[in-house]
Amino acid sequence: AQSVTQPDIHITVSEGASLELRCNYSYGATPYLFWYVQSPGQGLQLLLKYFSGDTLVQGIKGFEAEFKRSQSSFNLRKPSVHWSDAAEYFCAVASGAGGTSYGKLTFGQGTILTVHP
Amino acid sequence: GAVVSQHPSWVICKSGTSVKIECRSLDFQATTMFWYRQFPKQSLMLMATSNEGSKATYEQGVEKDKFLINHASLTLSTLTVTSAHPEDSSFYICSASSGGAVKTQYFGPGTRLLVL
Repeated sequence: AQSVTQPDIHITVSEGASLELRCNYSYGATPYLFWYVQSPGQGLQLLLKYFSGDTLVQGIKGFEAEFKRSQSSFNLRKPSVHWSDAAEYFCAVASGAGGTSYGKLTFGQGTILTVHP
Repeated sequence: GAVVSQHPSWVICKSGTSVKIECRSLDFQATTMFWYRQFPKQSLMLMATSNEGSKATYEQGVEKDKFLINHASLTLSTLTVTSAHPEDSSFYICSASSGGAVKTQYFGPGTRLLVL
C-alpha cells in the first residue's frame, strides 16, 4: 500500500527566509506526486506535481520540489517565504492507471507553516 | 482554469435531517469526482470515488446508505448526508479530475457541516 510521511507537523520561519518541507513516500511503482496548500477553512490548492521527466519541478507562488527516487522523497522548497505563505501544506501520492486505486490520492499528515514577520 | 465550486460553504442542520452538498467543475468536464472528509487538525480522508454515470465506490468503513453520492453529469456531483447526527459534523471537501493516465485532482473550497 502506498503511504506518505511528512515528518514535520509544524514549522516556523521568518519572513524572507528559505523554506524546505519534507515529504517521503512509499509506493511500489512510479509515483505520481503532488503538493497542495490549504489555508484555514478552505479547500486545497495545487502547488505543483511530478509525473515524469525533469526531477526538479516548478510550481505556483515561487515553489519548487525535487523528486529523489533514491531517497523516496519529494521535498518542497521556496527561497524566500512571504507572510502570505502561512498555511498547511500536504504532500500526496497518486496511483496510476491499471489498478483498483486508480487516481486515488494518499495524503501525508500535513505540515503547518507559520511565518514570523 | 480547473475551478471547482461547492455549495453551500457552510450549513447548520438539526439532527435527523438530510443535507445535500453540491460539487461543480466550472471550466472542465470531470469524469471522476472524489469526496473527502476532514476533521480538525487532520489530513483528508477519502470517503468515496464517483465516476460520471456509474455508482460511487465507497472506502472501507464509509456507510453508503448514509452518504449518498450522485454523479449525474460531467460537471456535477452531489453528496447527501442522510439522517445527519452530531458526529457527522465535519468539513467535507470534493475534488474533480478530468482523467488521463494520471488524474490530477482539483479541490473545491469545502463545506462545513454542523449538526445540532
